[in-house]
Parts: sequence; C-alpha cells; structure tokens
Amino acid sequence: AQSVTQLDSHVSVSEGTPVLLRCNYSSSYSPSLFWYVQHPNKGLQLLLKYTSAATLVKGINGFEAEFKKSETSFHLTKPSAHMSDAAEYFCVVSDQTDSWGKFQFGAGTQVVVTP
Amino acid sequence: DTAVSQTPKYLVTQMGNDKSIKCEQNLGHDTMYWYKQDSKKFLKIMFSYNNKELIINETVPNRFSPKSPDKAHLNLHINSLELGDSAVYFCASSRLSGISYNEQFFGPGTRLTVL
Repeated sequence: AQSVTQLDSHVSVSEGTPVLLRCNYSSSYSPSLFWYVQHPNKGLQLLLKYTSAATLVKGINGFEAEFKKSETSFHLTKPSAHMSDAAEYFCVVSDQTDSWGKFQFGAGTQVVVTP
Repeated sequence: DTAVSQTPKYLVTQMGNDKSIKCEQNLGHDTMYWYKQDSKKFLKIMFSYNNKELIINETVPNRFSPKSPDKAHLNLHINSLELGDSAVYFCASSRLSGISYNEQFFGPGTRLTVL
C-alpha cells in the first residue's frame, strides 16, 4: 500500500529566504509523485510531478523537487520565497498496487511568508 | 475554458435536506473523483469513476451517492444532510496513461454548510 508523510504541518519563512517542504513516501512499486498548492478559498493547482523520468523536477513559480529513492523522499524547495507563496501545500503519491486509481494525499503543510 | 467545473460554488442548507453537487470536465479524461476537505484541510477520497464505472468507493455513509452519466460528468447526491457533512467538496479528473495515472486536475470546490 502507498502512503505519504509531510513532516511539517506548518512552515514560516521570511520573504526572500529559501523554502523547504519535506515529504516522505511509502510505495511498493515505482511511484508517481506530485506537489499541489492550494491558496485560501481556492482549488488545488499542480506545482510539479515526478513520473520516473529525471529525478530533479522543475515546476511552476520557481519550485523544484528531487526524487530520492534511497531516502523515499520528495522534498519541495524554492530558493527565494515570495509573499504569494503563502498557501497550503500537498504532497501526493500514486502507484499501481491495490490502490489502482487512487492518489494518496499528505496531511498538508501550511506556509506562512513574513515580510 | 474551465477544465473542471463544479456547481454550485456555495451551498447552505438545513439538516435533513437532500442536495446535489455537479461536476463536469472538458479535458477528455477517463477518470473522475470526489474528495471531501475538512476544516483542517485534510483531503479524503470518497469515490472515483473510470469510464462511468465505480472503481473507488471509500468508507462513506450510504447517504452519499455518486452518479456518472458519462465520462465528462460526475455528480454527488447527498441525502438527509447532517452537520458533519459541512466541508468543501472537490471534484477532480485524471487520465490513465499506460499503467499509471497522470496528474489530477481539480475543480474550484463546493463549500457545503449544513445548519
């Protein structure tokens, strides 16, 4: 079975400083991994995805994530936070085990950006 | 053009009433989902349909009944609404590519408030 753990429920950063959101996953097969962002009172938007190609994945708005199989991690980073990055972020895993068609969501990380 | 649309955006109703939420996607995807997001932002999968066939049916009260008239539509009907049903409901769609799923696209959400 697949599962995903977001290690921080809340991250606070200053504008212009790096952002690191940590995600660990468990999967019996080669997983697909995703990061989504949800701004207040909005739907979820895809930031980036890993689907067994390059391990370093670049996404929108300057975000990137690195797939590390040995550490079962898919951490999200951005070199310089912007006020507009304040939102909820979700790490998601999907594979082909008994959860066919199912995307497993992490509990989310709330990002606060201070001026 | 909106990729995944939901109606209504807001729904306020009394306990015991019956209500429906509609979802439509114009992306040509073959799989659609319903999620419930609680006040702590946790996303829980409820149902999923692939080509009008139910493939995921999580532990959800049988007061909730999904219906997929065609691949582009997935509706959610809720009978005898309870206070605990208050949440934001998201519709999503995805496409099966080989043996894995591509990313999900989400609708804007329907905020249901039961009084």
